Amino acid sequence: SQTIHQWPATLVQPVGSPLSLECTVEGTSNPNLYWYRQAAGRGLQLLFYSVGIGQISSEVPQNLSASRPQDRQFILSSKKLLLSDSGFYLCAWARGAHTEAFFGQGTRLTVV
Amino acid sequence: DAKTTQPNSMESNEEEPVHLPCNHSTISGTDYIHWYRQLPSQGPEYVIHGLTSNVNNRMASLAIAEDRKSSTLILHRATLRDAAVYYCILLFSGAGSYQLTFGKGTKLSVIP
Repeated sequence: SQTIHQWPATLVQPVGSPLSLECTVEGTSNPNLYWYRQAAGRGLQLLFYSVGIGQISSEVPQNLSASRPQDRQFILSSKKLLLSDSGFYLCAWARGAHTEAFFGQGTRLTVV
Repeated sequence: DAKTTQPNSMESNEEEPVHLPCNHSTISGTDYIHWYRQLPSQGPEYVIHGLTSNVNNRMASLAIAEDRKSSTLILHRATLRDAAVYYCILLFSGAGSYQLTFGKGTKLSVIP
């Protein structure tokens, strides 16, 4: 069966520090991968999606970047965090363009 | 992109059926209708999806209007664990469109 791992579960980082969140998927190959952010009390904002290794599409210009160094690994990064980067970050995968998506447990990031 | 419109919130009594509406008047013939729900402090969870015909699974039923401009997610017997934000999403079935974009959804409250 397929599983998605996302870590860490919670993170507190100072303003200006770097960020690296990792997401890995098991049990499938060539998945579509997604990163979302949900600010407190707000909706889900699609940040990045990827249809293959090295292929990243950005939905919202911001202080973040994403990379896909391996087929089932998706990394969200920042060189210098801002207070506004605080939120609940979710990774997801799907087999195809219109198939169901599966979400990780999320990382709650607080920038102080 | 075709958009969806949902009520901001709904209430239901426990053990009664719940009908969650979604309008998508600009839907195209190749758009799938997907429903997800998000429980507090968790990532979204796939509920059901369909194209033209009504669909049933162990979680819910999806009723799609004949003109496909609206759909209704039906929870047959609401439980307290069904209290969540429910999202109706349209996903293009053709090549080249991989965004899984969430709107504001409907916050369902279940009254014991």
